[in-house]
Amino acid sequence: ETGVTQTPRHLVMGMTNKKSLKCEQHLGHNAMYWYKQSAKKPLELMFVYNFKEQTENNSVPSRFSPECPNSSHLFLHLHTLQPEDSALYLCASSQGQRIETQYFGPGTRLLVL
Amino acid sequence: DQQVKQNSPSLSVQEGRISILNCDYTNSMFDYFLWYKKYPAEGPTFLISISSIKDKNEDGRFTVFLNKSAKHLSLHIVPSQPGDSAVYFCAASARGSQGNLIFGKGTKLSVKP
Repeated sequence: ETGVTQTPRHLVMGMTNKKSLKCEQHLGHNAMYWYKQSAKKPLELMFVYNFKEQTENNSVPSRFSPECPNSSHLFLHLHTLQPEDSALYLCASSQGQRIETQYFGPGTRLLVL
Repeated sequence: DQQVKQNSPSLSVQEGRISILNCDYTNSMFDYFLWYKKYPAEGPTFLISISSIKDKNEDGRFTVFLNKSAKHLSLHIVPSQPGDSAVYFCAASARGSQGNLIFGKGTKLSVKP
């Protein structure tokens, strides 16, 4: 595997379900990110982790819970989501955080029913 | 209010001609700008970037121009090729931010053979 991978690629869940999105980067980077892209909207940064420590939380509702066990893996735990949370969730990584190019995974397309 | 604006949702260009994608920003603290390209079912891929200390950066067929006084940047692709057909996102980063890239909504470029 190379680059940034995300699983699953597609996910359908009910509002009472609990699911997790997984991201893995094989680039030796130190920073990882979760983004959300809703229809007709720009990509929105959700969380930033640098060396496994969360450094940014862009006012994301608590029904989204990130976890970064090491610099290569990032999870987004989902529980009691709303239909408006349906979106494309993208993971990215970079070597550092400032003026560093971020490399994106293919995304997980989430549908909340 | 959007800090990074791509006012043209789509652009169609003939193969071999120049494609010009535009991006405007409002935050004078932005000092680093990036362009990403996105194919369907894939994550955004980094294309080219420019620091605010420069007004032009060139990489092969791709050139980014930055006009700080107008808070405007553009991406020129010449000559355009059918494989360039994708959605192009402009992104900006501010001094002091923690890897927080602010994205535009994207412009869909179609290059016709």
